[in-house]
Amino acid sequence: KAGVTQTPRYLIKTRGQQVTLSCSPISGHRSVSWYQQTPGQGLQFLFEYFSETQRNKGNFPGRFSGRQFSNSRSEMNVSTLELGDSALYLCASSLQGWRTEAFFGQGTRLTVV
Amino acid sequence: QQQVKQSPQSLIVQKGGISIINCAYENTAFDYFPWYQQFPGKGPALLIAIRPDVSEKKEGRFTISFNKSAKQFSLHIMDSQPGDSATYFCAAGREQLSFGAGTTVTVRA
Repeated sequence: KAGVTQTPRYLIKTRGQQVTLSCSPISGHRSVSWYQQTPGQGLQFLFEYFSETQRNKGNFPGRFSGRQFSNSRSEMNVSTLELGDSALYLCASSLQGWRTEAFFGQGTRLTVV
Repeated sequence: QQQVKQSPQSLIVQKGGISIINCAYENTAFDYFPWYQQFPGKGPALLIAIRPDVSEKKEGRFTISFNKSAKQFSLHIMDSQPGDSATYFCAAGREQLSFGAGTTVTVRA
């Protein structure tokens, strides 16, 4: 069965711009979580969507937002990009939520210049 | 505030040796403790997970030991192989997962 697909794989944006990242979960999975991974801060939880509703949110500014569609595909948006937003953004899908086995995508590498 | 502290940052082990990675958590409400393995260019993959009602869980060469009173848990990789060379993350949570900083394991042939 197909794994978690994240697009695009690489992205270069200019400071001040906005960006939208996409995540297609494993078929049948209703939960999608987003994480930011950086060398300095490690893996940090952004938010989780379950059946189109945001269920949990981490400690990130309001510039980071997301949504989930009826087919469970999810998008993450970052507005007014800052240099510090450069990171690997990972999404993970699971059947019922993070307590059930979560499968990660390969991530989107965002570079802000 | 880092809720999960992981050590060591890196370790080198000979093929066939034992790799041990330790994690400590602060929030006593945490009730799910997974370990993830990540290879360069890939997303993390769930290796093994434990809940606080169990003190040890073994899956193949990988064992989690859990000490609820000390708020610590560890991953043991027995008979380490070169293919185990990767970064390992512990995590803990209740409503959401908090990750440790990661341990880069290098297995020398």
